Amino acid sequence: GEDVEQSLFLSVREGDSSVINCTYTDSSSTYLYWYKQEPGAGLQLLTYIFSNMDMKQDQRLTVLLNKKDKHLSLRIADTQTGDSAIYFCAGGIYNQGGKLIFGQGTELSVKP
Amino acid sequence: DVKVTQSSRYLVKRTGEKVFLECVQDMDHENMFWYRQDPGLGLRLIYFSYDVKMKEKGDIPEGYSVSREKKERFSLILESASTNQTSMYLCASSLRQGARRETQYFGPGTRLLVL
Repeated sequence: GEDVEQSLFLSVREGDSSVINCTYTDSSSTYLYWYKQEPGAGLQLLTYIFSNMDMKQDQRLTVLLNKKDKHLSLRIADTQTGDSAIYFCAGGIYNQGGKLIFGQGTELSVKP
Repeated sequence: DVKVTQSSRYLVKRTGEKVFLECVQDMDHENMFWYRQDPGLGLRLIYFSYDVKMKEKGDIPEGYSVSREKKERFSLILESASTNQTSMYLCASSLRQGARRETQYFGPGTRLLVL
């Protein structure tokens, strides 16, 4: 079945760029998503990319999609301490009534 | 803005108790989902519902049941709570049709401790 993989931890210094990576197995997803979870909170939709796009930029966030390698990445420019959170990538499952498959989440730690 | 609310942020229950977790959304979404979140395992789907009185098992339905009597409300029931059900429970909703139908919106989560 569909599988989504992420590395579990990433540590960066404030002001640096962060790149969070994700690989997936099912290429039929219409959209691929990035969600952010702050400590003790639910998931907040951060951004998404339509599957026929290669790149999407939204202020400090850049999403890159490599369909050939089934690789999705989220780049956060000028990372701030407020960006410390867990980041989940997710993909839809074709014809499965809106179900999403989530990666394990990457915990981003931003050091001052 | 979509709003998804969950009845409790924190809950402490004893082994064997029946536990109800409630979720309400205010955007007329057809789909609703219950997940549990455990460290290193990400989100795992317990049950979902695509319409009133309809339900589908997710990946880990054992020990849980659900109820959807009204479109805006989706309840998760732990028939007899056990310590291995200690977890963070997240509810989400989404549209059934349309260009953004896969986008799920989440509640704040309920952290359940079973003693």
